[in-house]
Amino acid sequence: DQQVKQNSPSLSVQEGRISILNCDYTNSMFDYFLWYKKYPAEGPTFLISISSIKDKNEDGRFTVFLNKSAKHLSLHIVPSQPGDSAVYFCAADSTGANSKLTFGKGITLSVRP
Amino acid sequence: DVKVTQSSRYLVKRTGEKVFLECVQDMDHENMFWYRQDPGLGLRLIYFSYDVKMKEKGDIPEGYSVSREKKERFSLILESASTNQTSMYLCATGEGNQPQHFGDGTRLSIL
Repeated sequence: DQQVKQNSPSLSVQEGRISILNCDYTNSMFDYFLWYKKYPAEGPTFLISISSIKDKNEDGRFTVFLNKSAKHLSLHIVPSQPGDSAVYFCAADSTGANSKLTFGKGITLSVRP
Repeated sequence: DVKVTQSSRYLVKRTGEKVFLECVQDMDHENMFWYRQDPGLGLRLIYFSYDVKMKEKGDIPEGYSVSREKKERFSLILESASTNQTSMYLCATGEGNQPQHFGDGTRLSIL
């Protein structure tokens, strides 16, 4: 049973516009959420995270929004750049002594020049 | 910067072979993880370790084992490789609830 869902496999946006990547989760024990970015032939790199005590976290062009009641989070990239073209993974964790992430299937973002 | 080094970027092995994938980290992290990435399936956790000589099964441990004799090294072992284990294998390390850091992966092909 998939606990972290990224239902859209791909997204294409024009350079300069907003990219919105969505993620849903089912496990109520998850209280920490992360986004990773992955280029081909490289490992995933951490992008941004949010704790369940917040509903928004911003870092430069990247903002993550969390709606706990809907068990939904989204990553906004504004403005989108061609270098943002990559696979984006949503991940969730239950904070405690140690981390054990559950990942979604990923979404491929293409930013058109 | 955390450095997670996976011993091979590309590896080709034959069905039935015993395969070792090595991962070394230089940040003294307690936690180490092995994932595989497959198209349409995302990252799936195979095994993880929170301490030396400690190991826990992840979501898809069948056909794999691991070894952690030293804190900095975490090895993934395919006991008898099969074609359905052709995949991208990713090692990660972390401390507490801090974000995990990943290596660049090993693309393993089983013929």
